[in-house]
Amino acid sequence: IVMTQTPLSSPVTLGQPASISCRSSQSLVHSDGNTYLSWLHQRPGQPPRLLIYQISNRFSGVPDRFSGSGAGTDFTLKISRVEAEDVGVYYCMQTTQSWTFGQGTKVEIK
Amino acid sequence: EVQLVESGGGLIQPGGSLRLSCAASGFTVSNNYMSWVRQAPGKGLEWVSLIYSGGSTYYADSVKGRFTISRDNSKNTLYLQMNSLRAEDTAVYYCARNLPVTPLGYWGQGTLVTVSS
Repeated sequence: IVMTQTPLSSPVTLGQPASISCRSSQSLVHSDGNTYLSWLHQRPGQPPRLLIYQISNRFSGVPDRFSGSGAGTDFTLKISRVEAEDVGVYYCMQTTQSWTFGQGTKVEIK
Repeated sequence: EVQLVESGGGLIQPGGSLRLSCAASGFTVSNNYMSWVRQAPGKGLEWVSLIYSGGSTYYADSVKGRFTISRDNSKNTLYLQMNSLRAEDTAVYYCARNLPVTPLGYWGQGTLVTVSS
């Protein structure tokens, strides 16, 4: 399964919303009925950290300004109000069939 | 507190072998499914391998037949044996702990493997 993110780069203004899209080459609905689509964030020089799992569930400690949505093959990560610590690269990832990542979206402050 | 500490990276010639270790604390490796993920310099993330608590293992096509994931329950440590290394295997290798519905919830800091003559 190929994961395609858009945009690849996103200049954002502090305090403003931001959105990243992720499309899969086939449906991510597993035979168990769940959709295994996650979002991760990687700051420069740091390992990635999990933000969202199963489309819309925030991982422990993740601020509620992050939200995920979507279904089937189209998914979105939204940041309601961007903060300085949100810069870095965001990856979508599917674990429905093997594991694959999107190519990453770089978020930077304007 | 969950901690994962990778080691074993370094400079290795093409065709060589290297074994990476991931020492875990704060949880039991054998009760979890664990992953290796790598990141080539300046590039994105690539899943490498996975071992389930029951012992089943899975590999990306790019490393199948060359890499082996394993664990030592007595040492609470995860391993990645890498053979027939190629230049394209150059990357930071991360180990990660997965929970039943949250893949890659906990990460180590990574260890750099450089394959070059």
